Amino acid sequence: QKEVEQDPGPLSVPEGAIVSLNCTYSNSAFQYFMWYRQYSRKGPELLMYTYSSGNKEDGRFTAQVDKSSKYISLFIRDSQPSDSATYLCAMKWGGSEKLVFGKGTKLTVNP
Amino acid sequence: GAVVSQHPSWVICKSGTSVKIECRSLDFQATTMFWYRQFPKQSLMLMATSNEGSKATYEQGVEKDKFLINHASLTLSTLTVTSAHPEDSSFYICSASGREGLGDTQYFGPGTRLTVL
Repeated sequence: QKEVEQDPGPLSVPEGAIVSLNCTYSNSAFQYFMWYRQYSRKGPELLMYTYSSGNKEDGRFTAQVDKSSKYISLFIRDSQPSDSATYLCAMKWGGSEKLVFGKGTKLTVNP
Repeated sequence: GAVVSQHPSWVICKSGTSVKIECRSLDFQATTMFWYRQFPKQSLMLMATSNEGSKATYEQGVEKDKFLINHASLTLSTLTVTSAHPEDSSFYICSASGREGLGDTQYFGPGTRLTVL
């Protein structure tokens, strides 16, 4: 079993839809959770960074962490074609510098 | 804030030559920098971790003599691919951590596409 599981998709939605992206993990030591967005041929861009269970909102993006279920989600409201990218979840445990990444989910928002 | 740059953005070289890639944190001091490699449609593969002024720590299976990493200052790390071969063609991405006030998550550069002929 991999430490971090993420459905690679692809996921295709119409403009304006609510998008739900998810990752599960097996290591209960993970304490910090991140979502990155990566456009084709570009480096990942940090979208959300959380370190506790619950929700964190930033504009159209909401990150949700459920440590009891070892499950994290990223919700995108009112999705736009410019949201079309690959979304990577990442996590780390306290005291470690390394990130453990999911495989990434490729999202396409159709106008 | 938290801007990381890489140079060059793309490079083509002949087999057997060496290529240097620079990674700079532009608006913060990076205590740690990381080098990743990414193949098409795959996730990031960590190659090595470097701290300013000390030797890099390489991941298992990464040849330290082939991928030379120097972290000369708190804002600059370099990756040199020595005696490059076509199988070294890939997308190389650096990241940096240590931005004051935001914990120690990683901020990524835009990546360098290396093609070895």
